[in-house]
Amino acid sequence: DAKTTQPPSMDCAEGRAANLPCNHSTISGNEYVYWYRQIHSQGPQYIIHGLKNNETNEMASLIITEDRKSSTLILPHATLRDTAVYYCIVRPYYNAGNMLTFGGGTRLMVKP
Amino acid sequence: KAGVTQTPRYLIKTRGQQVTLSCSPISGHRSVSWYQQTPGQGLQFLFEYFSETQRNKGNFPGRFSGRQFSNSRSEMNVSTLELGDSALYLCASSPKDGSYEQYFGPGTRLTVT
Repeated sequence: DAKTTQPPSMDCAEGRAANLPCNHSTISGNEYVYWYRQIHSQGPQYIIHGLKNNETNEMASLIITEDRKSSTLILPHATLRDTAVYYCIVRPYYNAGNMLTFGGGTRLMVKP
Repeated sequence: KAGVTQTPRYLIKTRGQQVTLSCSPISGHRSVSWYQQTPGQGLQFLFEYFSETQRNKGNFPGRFSGRQFSNSRSEMNVSTLELGDSALYLCASSPKDGSYEQYFGPGTRLTVT
């Protein structure tokens, strides 16, 4: 799986948009970008995924650059409950398994 | 639908003992993966089972093993426990091969003394 680089930590004011960047410059054509988050003392939670088009769901938006070498996860109106570690993962959508390779992630602190 | 359940939630064992952890996936899910999370190493993949067959295995010693039953429930076993095995063990289930979305359980917190 391609390697990802994320800032170790970020702060965001409550109610503002949180923009979490991810660099995946070695991503290959069949690899998707996935985002998970882990709130303290809980298991990771799937957020969103995409290939090359921007994606949006009820939790977040995912913006992938045209060259696919980087992406940004956007939480449009961050709340205190969004404080968590956010993981960006790239992997093929379909392969012989569901293994996820987690990096260090970004620790997002949402402040009142 | 009930989520992924893991038992027990907390466990304290002594070095040299063995331990078995259990995971019940979401109903209908056939893939179960196990991960170890420690402060030093982060989240690391242990192994994955699909339809009772181990499909992928992470870089862990042979003391770590697992299995999956016909009802998709899974167990992992760690023999000859070491202090470094103290960790949060997470189980995740997926409805199909290559699923983009995995559902994680709350984990089992293992402490080895």
